[in-house]
Amino acid sequence: DTGVSQNPRHKITKRGQNVTFRCDPISEHNRLYWYRQTLGQGPEFLTYFQNEAQLEKSRLLSDRFSAERPKGSFSTLEIQRTEQGDSAMYLCASSLFVGGETQYFGPGTRLLVL
Amino acid sequence: SQQGEEDPQALSIQEGENATMNCSYKTSINNLQWYRQNSGRGLVHLILIRSNEREKHSGRLRVTLDTSKKSSSLLITASRAADTASYFCATIKAAGNKLTFGGGTRVLVKP
Repeated sequence: DTGVSQNPRHKITKRGQNVTFRCDPISEHNRLYWYRQTLGQGPEFLTYFQNEAQLEKSRLLSDRFSAERPKGSFSTLEIQRTEQGDSAMYLCASSLFVGGETQYFGPGTRLLVL
Repeated sequence: SQQGEEDPQALSIQEGENATMNCSYKTSINNLQWYRQNSGRGLVHLILIRSNEREKHSGRLRVTLDTSKKSSSLLITASRAADTASYFCATIKAAGNKLTFGGGTRVLVKP
């Protein structure tokens, strides 16, 4: 499968715990994006990388959130001290930034914070 | 915050009918894209229309863009039960940057 993959697909955690999600983009895609989607809403941008550089972060990305993309390949999104309001679907997308703007999305990681 | 609104929020049609949904946005854009999302799944890219284009077709899909009104429409012709999904428009201000999504239109195609 050459698409974007995300792991885990589902995560249930207790409030206050830390969680980490992983995204593997399409090979050779140099841009990687994270979005968050709550029930009944459209996705909202969180952050994006070009290669290993994090180019933009949304105000939604509080200091409890951190994202990395070491070596410009896979990316991780960590949420520390989770809160119930963090419950959402976390979507990852990648694109090839050479005149191509189509972003290809992974299946998402659904987080439930109890 | 989200870029704009989609209209209607929900749409129910019979198989074989056409489905039309509209999207409005607030700022100037580089391009506008439409995505489909089946319940609880990831988003599938449907079509991209650039700011200098007015209409685009892809199979049973027809997209229009009116930059003077900051609006777009998606038409699905001869709908099928498999078209049941949520449809989102998303805009990009500059090539390669973040997508800003609307709230989506939930489409139900009844067999």
